[in-house]
Amino acid sequence: NAGVTQTPKFRILKIGQSMTLQCTQDMNHNYMYWYRQDPGMGLKLIYYSVGAGITDKGEVPNGYNVSRSTTEDFPLRLELAAPSQTSVYFCASSYPELGQPQHFGDGTRLSIL
Amino acid sequence: EDKVVQSPLSLVVHEGDTVTLNCSYEVTNFRSLLWYKQEKKAPTFLFMLTSSGIEKKSGRLSSILDKKELFSILNITATQTGDSAVYLCAVRGGSEKLVFGKGTKLTVNP
Repeated sequence: NAGVTQTPKFRILKIGQSMTLQCTQDMNHNYMYWYRQDPGMGLKLIYYSVGAGITDKGEVPNGYNVSRSTTEDFPLRLELAAPSQTSVYFCASSYPELGQPQHFGDGTRLSIL
Repeated sequence: EDKVVQSPLSLVVHEGDTVTLNCSYEVTNFRSLLWYKQEKKAPTFLFMLTSSGIEKKSGRLSSILDKKELFSILNITATQTGDSAVYLCAVRGGSEKLVFGKGTKLTVNP
C-alpha cells in the first residue's frame, strides 16, 4: 500500500534551471496538495487540486506551476529556479467528503545554488 | 486571513514528564482541527477534532478542542524519547485547504 509517493527525494539545482517534482497517489483521493516547508516554519500551501483538470493557487504560488491530468498524479513544476525556492516540498492527498485527513508523501529536499 | 499559532515553539523535557502543547486559531467557517507528528520525514496524522469539548485519545496522547475560545491542546503523558518530534497543528476552514502553525519541537531526553 504505497499511499503518496514523491520523487526525487533529493535534488540540487543551479539558479535558472527547471525541474518537475513528481507526486502520485494510489488511494483514489480526489484532492491533492503541494506544500513547502522552510526551517522552523509550518507548511505553506503552494497549489492544490480538487480533481483531474482543476487546480487552484494556495498561499505561495509564485514561481511554480502544476497540472492534474489524472486522479493519481499531481506534478509540481519549477520553471526558473531561484535560491528562495530552496525548501522541503511535500505532496498530500485526501478525500474530504469522507472526513479523511490529508496523507503526506515523504517529501523532496530541494537545494538551489 | 486564517491563522494558527502554536506554543511553545520548542520544549525540552525528561522521559516520564507530561507535556501540553497549545494551538490557537482564527479561521473563517471552522470545520476541523488536526494534529500531526513530524519526525524526519512526512507529517503523520494524530487526531482530527470537529466538536468542542470532546477528547480524542490514543494511548498516551490526547487532545481536546474549545471552539468557543478557539484553541486546542495536545497532551502527552509519560513521555518517551520516541515522542521527540515536531507537532503540527492545522485548521480547515470553508475550503478544503489546511492552514498550519509553525509547530512545536518537542525533545524528550532520557
